[in-house]
Amino acid sequence: QVQLVQSGAEVRKPGASVKVSCKASGYSLTTYGMHWVRQAPGQRLEWMGWINAGSGNIEYSQKFQDRVTMTKETSASTAYMELSSLRSEDTAVYYCATDQAGALGSWGQGTLVSVSS
Amino acid sequence: DIVLTQSPGTLSLSPGRSATLSCWASQDINNAMSWFQYKPGQAPRLLIFDVSIRASGIPTRFSGSGSGTDFTLTISSLEPDDSALYFCQQRFAWPITFGQGTRLEIK
Repeated sequence: QVQLVQSGAEVRKPGASVKVSCKASGYSLTTYGMHWVRQAPGQRLEWMGWINAGSGNIEYSQKFQDRVTMTKETSASTAYMELSSLRSEDTAVYYCATDQAGALGSWGQGTLVSVSS
Repeated sequence: DIVLTQSPGTLSLSPGRSATLSCWASQDINNAMSWFQYKPGQAPRLLIFDVSIRASGIPTRFSGSGSGTDFTLTISSLEPDDSALYFCQQRFAWPITFGQGTRLEIK
């Protein structure tokens, strides 16, 4: 059974960076790609990017491509999303989700990132 | 970016009834439409992908239909546990985008 467990809530000051982890179990990171999606308060879900499992290629949303870095450590079954130059508008719940035949099949429980001075 | 617009914003129905949720895309997205159920404090749950294919473990009460720009999620024989936010998502073109959601209340 596919399961994704994310790291805990984070608080950062504007200008700082945050790195969220997503530990996978029940499958290998070389099998399914990994998407990262966020939801700010009162806003719809927003896709940030993904890592293709097979090719390892990474596609970032244009909105975040200058500030986001997505990586994975296959041996540790863990994917990471780092967002830099944080601003208050980055306060959101961040989710990882598997790409299973193109569908976002399984999701992590979410990580709240709060950005405040 | 492809914009997805959902209707209605909120739907309040009694147990046993059927719910019809709509999602319109700003351009043709072929069959690249998915639907999710979201409850506060839980991970979103994939219900339907590729317009009408139920994800593993999803009851047959949940069905999807549509094509092009107009899509529908139908939930029949509503149960109290179906109370949740439902949102649509397209993967036809980058960036992946989501609808704003329909809140379903079962009373």
